[in-house]
Amino acid sequence: DAGVIQSPRHEVTEMGQEVTLRCKPISGHDYLFWYRQTMMRGLELLIYFNNNVPIDDSGMPEDRFSAKMPNASFSTLKIQPSEPRDSAVYFCASSPRREAFFGQGTRLTVV
Amino acid sequence: AQSVTQPDIHITVSEGASLELRCNYSYGATPYLFWYVQSPGQGLQLLLKYFSGDTLVQGIKGFEAEFKRSQSSFNLRKPSVHWSDAAEYFCAVGAPGNEKLTFGTGTRLTIIP
Repeated sequence: DAGVIQSPRHEVTEMGQEVTLRCKPISGHDYLFWYRQTMMRGLELLIYFNNNVPIDDSGMPEDRFSAKMPNASFSTLKIQPSEPRDSAVYFCASSPRREAFFGQGTRLTVV
Repeated sequence: AQSVTQPDIHITVSEGASLELRCNYSYGATPYLFWYVQSPGQGLQLLLKYFSGDTLVQGIKGFEAEFKRSQSSFNLRKPSVHWSDAAEYFCAVGAPGNEKLTFGTGTRLTIIP
């Protein structure tokens, strides 16, 4: 398996624009997680899904953030409108259960 | 709720020397414990994990960790570090029945010749 695949790897956007981050989990994994990594706050769990259903979105910072998982092989994290403080590395991870496998991350810069 | 503390922000070790990275957790029962490594610009790679049983666990790249319930610790060790071990190391805790992982703030490891 190719592992967890995220796209794009880098994204630079202007404040106020919509940003969509994409993730393809490892086939057969029932869980999918979205994390955000910043110098100030470290690794934060934003939301996770089980069998495509959102289980816990308590880490989503505000209504500007939304995540979907329309099927077992694809998930998106959307920020609308984006703000400079959203600049971070966003990781997607998938898990068969109990251990998470991470993608390479998307480095988002909002200017 | 579970939590993790990595007291060392940055550690410098000479190549060939031994290494120990500290991790303390807070959880009411026996947690699931993990160590991940992150190289610059990369995602997190799982080094090793503990769920139950033998408290000394072996991982990849010659790393091991020991679960000590009495000290609420899960320290990572390596007998002899290599320059390629320079990276950021994260300890994480999970709970049975809950797939969420809580990560520590990380320890940055620098290797000097």
